Amino acid sequence: DAGITQSPRHKVTETGTPVTLRCHQTENHRYMYWYRQDPGHGLRLIHYSYGVKDTDKGEVSDGYSVSRSKTEDFLLTLESATSSQTSVYFCAITTGSGNTIYFGEGSWLTVV
Amino acid sequence: SQKIEQNSEALNIQEGKTATLTCNYTNYSPAYLQWYRQDPGRGPVFLLLIRENEKEKRKERLKVTFDTTLKQSLFHITASQPADSATYLCALGSNTGKLIFGQGTTLQVKP
Repeated sequence: DAGITQSPRHKVTETGTPVTLRCHQTENHRYMYWYRQDPGHGLRLIHYSYGVKDTDKGEVSDGYSVSRSKTEDFLLTLESATSSQTSVYFCAITTGSGNTIYFGEGSWLTVV
Repeated sequence: SQKIEQNSEALNIQEGKTATLTCNYTNYSPAYLQWYRQDPGRGPVFLLLIRENEKEKRKERLKVTFDTTLKQSLFHITASQPADSATYLCALGSNTGKLIFGQGTTLQVKP
C-alpha cells in the first residue's frame, strides 16, 4: 500500500458538467501523475506534477486541467465533461524520476 | 511523435514454458524502461526497472533486456504459472519524470 487514495471511485455525470477527481497521498512523494486508460489505447498521460504548483501536460491534456496546491493532493478537473472522457482514471506517485511508481486503484467515470 | 508498441495484444502459453513479451519504441530516447503487471479492475503494479546503460535485469522468475540500438525491450517470465496471467505493460521514462506506456500484452497461462 503506497498510501494513495482516489476519490470518487465511481461517478456518473452528465455531459457539460464539471467534474473533479482527487488523488491524495500520505507518503510525501514529489511526482504525481494522472492517466486515463481506454481499450485500444492503453494508459495515456494527461498531466503530471513535479512539485507543488509545478505541473506539465501529457499527451492527452485537452479538456483537462490540474492543480497541486499542496504536496499530498493532485486534482484533475474536467471543466465540461464530454462522452469521450468516459474512462478509467489512474493517479500515480513516485519519489523521483526512475524510481518505483505506485498507482491508485482507479476512478471509473461515465459521462452520459 | 513518440510511439511505443507491445507486439501482441494477447499471448497464450502452456504452464511451465517461458513467456516472452516485446516492447518496441520509436522517436524516443528513454532514460529508463519499466515493466508493470495489471490485473482486471486494478491499477498497474511495478515489476522491474532497467536503465539505458543496463543490458539485463533479473528478479526471481523475471528477466528484462534493454537494447537501445534496436529500441527494444524483452520481458521474460520463466516457468510460467496460471497465476502469472495478467496484462503486462511497458513504460518509458525520461529524466524529467515523464512516463509513457505501451498498450499492454495480455498473457494467459494455461494449466
